[in-house]
Amino acid sequence: QSVLTQPPSASETPGQRVTISCSGSSSNIGGNYVYWYHQIPGTAPKLLIYRNYQRPSGVPDRFSGSKSGTSASLAISGLRSEDEGVYYCAAWDDSLSGFYVFGTGTKVTVL
Amino acid sequence: QVQLQQSGPGRVKPSQTLSLTCVISGDSVSSNSATWNWIRESPSRGLEWLGRTYFRSKWHNDYSVSVKSRITINPDPSKNQFSLHVTSVTPEDTAVYFCAREGLGDAFDMWGQGTMVTVSS
Repeated sequence: QSVLTQPPSASETPGQRVTISCSGSSSNIGGNYVYWYHQIPGTAPKLLIYRNYQRPSGVPDRFSGSKSGTSASLAISGLRSEDEGVYYCAAWDDSLSGFYVFGTGTKVTVL
Repeated sequence: QVQLQQSGPGRVKPSQTLSLTCVISGDSVSSNSATWNWIRESPSRGLEWLGRTYFRSKWHNDYSVSVKSRITINPDPSKNQFSLHVTSVTPEDTAVYFCAREGLGDAFDMWGQGTMVTVSS
């Protein structure tokens, strides 16, 4: 169902950097903003990044987003135990498949 | 501080209608800058945007093509809430349903707590 593809998992030790990729197409990432959400199991997703790289108030600058063509990435530096969870990319989609599409999700584990 | 509080049954029988409500505090369903959305999450389909309602001089609705024939989202300004109705449900509609505000930077910046809905007889 998801039209944005992410790696299923990523892991790193505390203090290190992890990068999550998100691959889409010209109808979504290629022509629209990318958003990133963090979800802890059993809770609602929380907005991390909006409009490709902007952080809402309260989100530390350890989190950074970027976009190039039809792909995007989220980098987490100085990894901490509370960063564990599932990360989703998302974008509005201009095709007939739907208005807003989410990525497949990447489970981040802090070793 | 914006809060979204969901309510509705946790179990619905096949072929019946799933109905959920999201009560808004700290913002208005009639806001000219926000939209009010329903999103669901299931193991088989992941996170799936279902649709939204919003007010821009008049009321508008947008629905995902995957559920468009079965879904209705209604605003209720008198109670500052909005609701989701999905008709003719099947076990495939079993999911956690979230309401969410599209606000900051056109992102879903506020979410309800989620409601697990099981479609089963």
